[in-house]
This record gives sequence, structure tokens and C-alpha cells, in this order.
Amino acid sequence: QQKVQQSPESLSVPEGGMASLNCTSSDRNFQYFWWYRQHSGEGPKALMSIFSDGDKKEGRFTAHLNKASLHVSLHIRDSQPSDSALYFCAARQQGTGSKLSFGKGAKLTVSP
Amino acid sequence: GGIITQTPKFLIGQEGQKLTLKCQQNFNHDTMYWYRQDSGKGLRLIYYSITENDLQKGDLSEGYDASREKKSSFSLTVTSAQKNEMAVFLCASSMDWGAEQFFGPGTRLTVL
Repeated sequence: QQKVQQSPESLSVPEGGMASLNCTSSDRNFQYFWWYRQHSGEGPKALMSIFSDGDKKEGRFTAHLNKASLHVSLHIRDSQPSDSALYFCAARQQGTGSKLSFGKGAKLTVSP
Repeated sequence: GGIITQTPKFLIGQEGQKLTLKCQQNFNHDTMYWYRQDSGKGLRLIYYSITENDLQKGDLSEGYDASREKKSSFSLTVTSAQKNEMAVFLCASSMDWGAEQFFGPGTRLTVL
């Protein structure tokens, strides 16, 4: 059973546009959320983490977490062709021993 | 900064063959992981090692063995390669359990 669901599976936006990715958890014990980005031929790289309700902004990237609805989103403003990649949402419970659960990923294509 | 090196980059084996994938990190991280990435399925944890001399099974450990030779290196062995095992194997490390994970570029396995 997939504990972390991502939507959409793929997304295309024009250069300069806004890309929005969504993630929903089925485990109410998940407390910590990450967004990872993977360019073709490379390993995933952490974009940002969010552990508290509300927004967290880092440059062009904004993550939003709502623990009550188990929903986390990632918004990329002024999207660039270099943002084209696979984006993974990941979550884990509090406490030692809890593993990171990854979503299936969402493919973002930014066209010039 | 640091780097994670995975060897080989591409691995071609025969069905039933025993195959070994290697991973080295120079972050001086305590925790290391092996994930399998299949298209459309996200990342699934095979084995992890919280500290040197520790070895833990993940969600997908059947058919695999792992070895933490020293703090900086973590190997994964496919005990008997199967055709449905064609995937990318990703090694990762983190300062400690629950911290940001840093990934290597992956080993792409093809079984003939």
C-alpha cells in the first residue's frame, strides 16, 4: 500500500509559469515531509523539508503543509527549463526507526 | 561538501547470477541506505545501516544481501538476478537517522 500519493503524475508548464505539485499521506502519524528532485541520469536531491503547518519559502520554491488534511504541496514560481525533472514527496513518522516513505514521483516539464 | 560514488554505473548480468553493487561516501555520514527505483513506483528501501557494523532490512530485502564494510562503504548483492529486477539502484547516506539523505547517481541493472 502506497502511503504517500502524488498528483499529478506529470505536468507541463511554460517557462516563467507556476508549477504546483501535490502530495497526500494516508498515515496520520507522518510528521516530517520532504521534497526531492531528480534530474535525468542523476540521483534525487533534497529540495526542501517542511515539518510545521503553513508555508515555507526558499527562493522560487514554496512548500505548504496542512497536517490536519495530511496534504503537502510544492509550488515553483517563474519555472525554468532546468526545473524539468522528477519530483518526489517523502514523509516519515516521528521517532527513531521510522523509515522515509516516498511517493511515486511527478514528472515536470518546463518548455521554453 | 561530499560525494557519493556508485560502481559500476551500468551492470549487465545473466539471470540467476550473483551481482554486487558498491557505494562509497566521503561525507563521514553514519547512516547509509540502498533503494531500488522502478519506473512509476518511486523509491523502495532495500537495506539500511544506521552505523558501522549495523545492518537492517528494508521493505524489499528478499533476494538481496548487504554489507557495511566500513563507515564509508556499503555494498549490495543481488543473490540471484531475475529478469524483473531491471531497475536503478540508488545508494544514499545521511548524518544520522531522519536527517536529509544524499543520493549517489545510481547503478542501472539489466538482466539478460
